[in-house]
Amino acid sequence: DTAVSQTPKYLVTQMGNDKSIKCEQNLGHDTMYWYKQDSKKFLKIMFSYNNKELIINETVPNRFSPKSPDKAHLNLHINSLELGDSAVYFCASSRKDGYTFGSGTRLTVV
Amino acid sequence: AQSVAQPEDQVNVAEGNPLTVKCTYSVSGNPYLFWYVQYPNRGLQFLLKYITGDNLVKGSYGFEAEFNKSQTSFHLKKPSALVSDSALYFCAVSRPSWGKFQFGAGTQVVVTP
Repeated sequence: DTAVSQTPKYLVTQMGNDKSIKCEQNLGHDTMYWYKQDSKKFLKIMFSYNNKELIINETVPNRFSPKSPDKAHLNLHINSLELGDSAVYFCASSRKDGYTFGSGTRLTVV
Repeated sequence: AQSVAQPEDQVNVAEGNPLTVKCTYSVSGNPYLFWYVQYPNRGLQFLLKYITGDNLVKGSYGFEAEFNKSQTSFHLKKPSALVSDSALYFCAVSRPSWGKFQFGAGTQVVVTP
């Protein structure tokens, strides 16, 4: 069984569209995250939720809105997509001293 | 500033030779240190971690890393590299109070037959 699953795996969309990426974890972890990996492969945290509450918001544009309906899910909605949003977005979850990552969503904005 | 550095963008090694991927950190207090590997078009996979205890940590796929507090380093090593070890390796540092990881910039490992 997949521990942290993200959908879709690939997403190609036009500028200005609104899209969502879903993430689910079946590990019973309390904390979930969204990370962005840019074209230079650099990984940077975007958001962190603990038990459905927002813990970290790393100066991400407010076009990005995470939503956590329960502690097993953390979805990422992006409004008015821009070319610069093209990246790989990774969901992750943790309990105490380690992360489990999803396989990533490659977003391409054209 | 808290940070983690991977000084090499790329490491090239011949199959069968020892592999070392360097990582240094700048964190006050006692850090938690991790290594992750990313294969092409895949997510990050956990290799090993140091939280406390023995400075030499053994992980997946024959990798190990040594925590050196005086040199603030956590270099990843493998005695005999395989072509299948070719991937992007990330060092990461964390502390419980942070609630997040700080990743290094990554080191591309290329193992040639």
